[in-house]
Amino acid sequence: DTAVSQTPKYLVTQMGNDKSIKCEQNLGHDTMYWYKQDSKKFLKIMFSYNNKELIINETVPNRFSPKSPDKAHLNLHINSLELGDSAVYFCASSQIGLAGPGDTQYFGPGTRLTVL
Amino acid sequence: SQELEQSPQSLIVQEGKNLTINCTSSKTLYGLYWYKQKYGEGLIFLMMLQKGGEEKSHEKITAKLDEKKQQSSLHITASQPSHAGIYLCGADTRDDMRFGAGTRLTVKP
Repeated sequence: DTAVSQTPKYLVTQMGNDKSIKCEQNLGHDTMYWYKQDSKKFLKIMFSYNNKELIINETVPNRFSPKSPDKAHLNLHINSLELGDSAVYFCASSQIGLAGPGDTQYFGPGTRLTVL
Repeated sequence: SQELEQSPQSLIVQEGKNLTINCTSSKTLYGLYWYKQKYGEGLIFLMMLQKGGEEKSHEKITAKLDEKKQQSSLHITASQPSHAGIYLCGADTRDDMRFGAGTRLTVKP
């Protein structure tokens, strides 16, 4: 069974469109994350939710809006897509969160977003 | 400037050889994570280190966090083609969590 799943796996869209990426975890974890991996493979955390509440909101454009309908889901909605948004986006989950020692993050397979 | 430096950026080794990848932080590390990424797949968690001097092993991969907790090394013994991929270190510095740029490992048969 897939622990952390993301859909879609690939997303190709035109500049200016609005798109969403979905993430679901079946591990019963309390914390979920969104990361962006740039072309240099550098991962940067974007958001973190704990029990549906936003706890980390790094400096990202407000075109990016996370939504957590329940603690098993954390979706990422992006408005007015720009060329620079092209990247691989990873969702992850963990039991405790970044403040908890010994916490382990489980990552999804990633969503490769290409903005044309 | 990069707070987390990984070296080397890429590595090509002959099958059976040993190798080491380093991860250096400019801040004290409260948690150091090693991941592996294969093309088209998600990040696979390898191991996590927290205490200075801590060393963990999984199959032929060993990782260590130095005493000052600002550097970690990942060592692979008798490398195999299955070890090929991108190795990524992630650091929890209490302020945030960041990842290195990755080390691309190629193992030639």
